[in-house]
Amino acid sequence: DAKTTQPPSMDCAEGRAANLPCNHSTISGNEYVYWYRQIHSQGPQYIIHGLKNNETNEMASLIITEDRKSSTLILPHATLRDTAVYYCIVRVGHSGGSNYKLTFGKGTLLTVNP
Amino acid sequence: NAGVTQTPKFQVLKTGQSMTLQCAQDMNHNSMYWYRQDPGMGLRLIYYSASEGTTDKGEVPNGYNVSRLNKREFSLRLESAAPSQTSVYFCATGELFFGEGSRLTVL
Repeated sequence: DAKTTQPPSMDCAEGRAANLPCNHSTISGNEYVYWYRQIHSQGPQYIIHGLKNNETNEMASLIITEDRKSSTLILPHATLRDTAVYYCIVRVGHSGGSNYKLTFGKGTLLTVNP
Repeated sequence: NAGVTQTPKFQVLKTGQSMTLQCAQDMNHNSMYWYRQDPGMGLRLIYYSASEGTTDKGEVPNGYNVSRLNKREFSLRLESAAPSQTSVYFCATGELFFGEGSRLTVL
């Protein structure tokens, strides 16, 4: 799986959009970009994933650059409860139950301020 | 997290003691994983099981053994616990679902 680079920390004002970048310049053509977050002391939570098109769900949007070497996770209206460590991961395969392992780095600590 | 149950949630051991962490899932996923997380660190993969009857080493397997008992259950065993194994252990299944964690302290 390709390696990712994320800033160690970011701040965001409550109600504003939080834009979390991720660099994955060695991504292969069959690798997906996944985002997870981990709120203090809890298990990681899946947020969103994509291959090359931008994706949106009820939690966030994922913007992947045309060359797929970087992506941005967007939380459109951050709340205090979005304070967490956000992990960007690239890997082959995309469905639950597949046989692929994940490798997590240190992620980005997003702090949403009132 | 619905679907992935870890037991126990907390455990204190003395150096040299053995114990088993249990993980069970009800989502019918083939793959299951054990991670550890140390303060200020990301998650590190200990072992994984791609399917029932198979297990493979991850990034930090030393000091651990695993058993994929059936499709639902994947256990992690510490034969002789060491203080360096003090950590929070997470079980995951199908890559998308994590348990709440088991907090282990080895004195």
